[in-house]
Amino acid sequence: LAKTTQPISMDSYEGQEVNITCSHNNIATNDYITWYQQFPSQGPRFIIQGYKTKVTNEVASLFIPADRKSSTLSLPRVSLSDTAVYYCLVEEDKLVFGAGTILRVKS
Amino acid sequence: KAGVTQTPRYLIKTRGQQVTLSCSPISGHRSVSWYQQTPGQGLQFLFEYFSETQRNKGNFPGRFSGRQFSNSRSEMNVSTLELGDSALYLCASSPGTGWTEAFFGQGTRLTVV
Repeated sequence: LAKTTQPISMDSYEGQEVNITCSHNNIATNDYITWYQQFPSQGPRFIIQGYKTKVTNEVASLFIPADRKSSTLSLPRVSLSDTAVYYCLVEEDKLVFGAGTILRVKS
Repeated sequence: KAGVTQTPRYLIKTRGQQVTLSCSPISGHRSVSWYQQTPGQGLQFLFEYFSETQRNKGNFPGRFSGRQFSNSRSEMNVSTLELGDSALYLCASSPGTGWTEAFFGQGTRLTVV
């Protein structure tokens, strides 16, 4: 049973805000929600992490509802360089990657 | 502070040969994990080490093995290479036993011909 479910792909245009939602219905009480970004032929890069409510850093925001069964990664004003695969992970004791979401940003 | 370093970056091997890949974690990090990434299967977990002990192992055949040294550097070995072993092999490190934030290397691109 998959721990997380994300859309396979999303398209956007430069300057738009992009929201990628991840479902994690069976999240455990002590699990954090972590998002990674991966460019082709590179290792994934940590973007943001949260436990509940809202977390914001210099590159993204993470919204987590009270039931924690889903989360939304928000990328403000995307650019072409944000084209990448985005992964949502919820396990703390090991990294389990799903298929991720391919985000394509067009000009 | 240096990041995770994987060597070599690129490798071409022939079927039936063996290969050893190396991973140097961030200084002070004691956990290392390995992943295989292929277009069809995505990122698949191979194994994880902490303080020279294997903590977790993925669902890969015994041809895939690894180890971690006392300085936390890790190696993985693949014996009797098959064409399907062609992939990007990624290593990640973490300070402790948890993976709340993992740092990945650039990977080793292995091509088996």
